Amino acid sequence: AQSVAQPEDQVNVAEGNPLTVKCTYSVSGNPYLFWYVQYPNRGLQFLLKYITGDNLVKGSYGFEAEFNKSQTSFHLKKPSALVSDSALYFCAVRLTGGFKTIFGAGTRLFVKA
Amino acid sequence: ETGVTQSPTHLIKTRGQQVTLRCSSQSGHNTVSWYQQALGQGPQFIFQYYREEENGRGNFPPRFSGLQFPNYSSELNVNALELDDSALYLCASSSRLEREAMGVQYFGPGTRLTVT
Repeated sequence: AQSVAQPEDQVNVAEGNPLTVKCTYSVSGNPYLFWYVQYPNRGLQFLLKYITGDNLVKGSYGFEAEFNKSQTSFHLKKPSALVSDSALYFCAVRLTGGFKTIFGAGTRLFVKA
Repeated sequence: ETGVTQSPTHLIKTRGQQVTLRCSSQSGHNTVSWYQQALGQGPQFIFQYYREEENGRGNFPPRFSGLQFPNYSSELNVNALELDDSALYLCASSSRLEREAMGVQYFGPGTRLTVT
């Protein structure tokens, strides 16, 4: 069965420190990979995507993600966290040519000043 | 902010009732997807509409149905509401042109449905 796993319910990091939010997936073929962020009482906002090419992709607000095909992972990273980065982060996958996007359960990021 | 709007913002219904949720897609987007996000969970795909037809569905029963209109706006209808239908319902619009969109979706703020 196709699935997306975000192993950490919450990640705590101090402001200015690097952050990593983990994501692994289990789908057949070569999926499109995404990260979205959700702020309280808001819909999801697109951060970045991996389709093909360079394994390190850069997105909005200084975030980047590293694709690892052998480990089927797509971890979200940022070199220096901000308090304003505190939010709920979702990893998602979609099969090429498909219509269905599968989301992980989400990881809450808390950045402490 | 995306250009996707949803109405109403909040809704309270009684078990067994029917509900209609509405979504206006971002300008230029011809594809609309609906998701159910239960508390503490990720969004679950309900279905997708393209050119006024359903072209994909997740694991939701037939009492979840939808419509898409010529202006690409959309409705989600849920009949015979159950307590477990309480959730945030998200609408997302996208462009059908893969080269342009590459699967990126633009989400509305959601409708919070509470079933009592």
